[in-house]
Amino acid sequence: VQLLESGGDLVQPGGSLRLSCAASGFTFYTYAMSWVRQAPGKGLEWVSAISGRESTIFYSDSVKGRFTISRDSSKNTVYLQMNGLRVEDTAVYYCARSDEVRFLEWILWGQGTMVTVSS
Amino acid sequence: QSVLTQPPSASGTPGQRVTISCSGSGSNIGSNYVYWYQHLPGTAPELLIYRNNQRPSGVPDRFSGSKSGTSASLAISGLRSEDEADYYCAAWDDSLSGPVFGGGTKLTVL
Repeated sequence: VQLLESGGDLVQPGGSLRLSCAASGFTFYTYAMSWVRQAPGKGLEWVSAISGRESTIFYSDSVKGRFTISRDSSKNTVYLQMNGLRVEDTAVYYCARSDEVRFLEWILWGQGTMVTVSS
Repeated sequence: QSVLTQPPSASGTPGQRVTISCSGSGSNIGSNYVYWYQHLPGTAPELLIYRNNQRPSGVPDRFSGSKSGTSASLAISGLRSEDEADYYCAAWDDSLSGPVFGGGTKLTVL
């Protein structure tokens, strides 16, 4: 049972990046998935979440309109498409699993992927 | 500035009991569950307390959580050196339609 993030990279301000979180060892479509980030020297910040059936999607105000979360149950993967990246989006991005979006029982986490936004 | 308010630091000696507070409002802690996470540098956060006062399997009973009104607290008894980490509270916020975190408390074991 694990989550494996990928896609982190160095990108210029205004650029785009797509993060992936591949799930294995559990019934992917039954769980809600979230993205949580931690900027260097800062605390944890929730970014986005998607319910198990894709019927409900949430974004933090800081990324709304720029980031898009999606999931592909055929590939057991959740994505975070990040457009219009800003320097302040620099962070380690984690994906995490929970039973429901509103219940923050994130027991299973990925190892994190680093996104650096810099010119 | 975080929606939930935690003290930036806390400390204690081995064996001591320490408490970390988390203050919110009616739209988050006041009407939703509180969660606590332990975070060590370079690792993924670990869930310590869920639904205000429940411990996941594997979390020692030295860790306990409580909630009253719009505030919550995490207590760590029998403090150990390996407890030195950052601790975060979190709760769903009905007004923001998303989870909110506290700013984190850095616990130092003296």
